[in-house]
Parts: sequence; structure tokens; C-alpha cells
Amino acid sequence: AQRVTQPEKLLSVFKGAPVELKCNYSYSGSPELFWYVQYSRQRLQLLLRHISRESIKGFTADLNKGETSFHLKKPFAQEEDSAMYYCACYNQGGKLIFGQGTELSVKP
Amino acid sequence: DTGVSQDPRHKITKRGQNVTFRCDPISEHNRLYWYRQTLGQGPEFLTYFQNEAQLEKSRLLSDRFSAERPKGSFSTLEIQRTEQGDSAMYLCASSPTPAQGQETQYFGPGTRLLVL
Repeated sequence: AQRVTQPEKLLSVFKGAPVELKCNYSYSGSPELFWYVQYSRQRLQLLLRHISRESIKGFTADLNKGETSFHLKKPFAQEEDSAMYYCACYNQGGKLIFGQGTELSVKP
Repeated sequence: DTGVSQDPRHKITKRGQNVTFRCDPISEHNRLYWYRQTLGQGPEFLTYFQNEAQLEKSRLLSDRFSAERPKGSFSTLEIQRTEQGDSAMYLCASSPTPAQGQETQYFGPGTRLLVL
């Protein structure tokens, strides 16, 4: 069955430190992977998707099919990055399969 | 267009009552999705529509749940005979018909349901 795993419920770092939020997936076909972010009191919004190969707010994520991973990285965390981050895999049937989420806390 | 909207934002009800939620998608989006999110979990898929056609329903969607999108625009999600386990955030999302590079789903603010 399709599954997305985010092993860390909480990740706490200091401002300026590198950040890596882990995401592993299981999917039999060609995966379409996304990172969604939810800032405090805001709605869930797209951060980035692997097919775009872009950097958003300094975040990047590379799809590693060998390790079935799609980790989210940022070299220097900022306090405004504090939020809930969800990794998601798009099912060709039309739905998103989400991980449990990782709360990122960036301390001053 | 201010994005996907949901109404109400909060709903408190007593066990056994029926509740109905509404979602207005981004105009011109053909796809509309419903998800449920409980505390400490990521959103879980419930059902989705392509225009007015309901294309898939999750096993999470018991017989007490029904969703409609009668004119291919807004959608309603009704829960009959609510149970305490139905307490959750109900999220709606919309997207254009998926094609390469167009699978992005845009989420509404959610309706938080509390069943007492």
C-alpha cells in the first residue's frame, strides 16, 4: 500500500543551523512528491514539488528513488520557518497521501 | 478569487446530531477533494469529485458520511448521527484536472468539528 513516513514528530534547531526534514515513501509507480507547510493559524499550502526542481524560501528537496526518500533541506534555518511540514505523495487515482507531519521549531 | 473557502469554520454538536459542511473551491477548478485530519496526524483522504462526479471514496467514509457536488461547483459533506470519533478537522482542497505539472491541490482553512 502507498505510504509516506516522516519519522520525526518534532525537530528543534537554532537559527542559522542547517535543517533536514526526513520523508520516506513507498509507491509502486513513478511518484509525484510534495512538501506542504502549515504556519501557525494558516491553511495548508504547497511549499514545493519534486517535478519543479525549484528552491522555495531557501528549501530544496531531491527525490532519491534508490532510497525512496524526499528529504527537505535548508542550509540556514530562520525563525519564520517554524511550522508544521507535511510530505505527500500524489496517487495517480487523484488523492494525496500525507505523512504524519514534522513540527519544525527554530529557536533564536 | 480568495482561494478555497469552507463554512462553518467551527462546529460543536452533540452526539447523534447531523452536521453539514460546505466547501467553495477556486473557480474553474474541476477537482474537489475532502480530507480529514485528527490531532497529530496528517490529512487523510476521504473522497473527491471531478466536476459533479464522485470518483473515489475512502474506506474511512462510512455510510454515515455523504458528499455531493451537485452542479460541479461547491460541495457539501454531511455526517449523520455524529459520533465522538468524528471529531476532527475537515479539509477541502481543489485543483485543476491533473495533468503533468498541475497536480497542486489548494486547501481551504478547514472546518473543525467537535462532537460532545
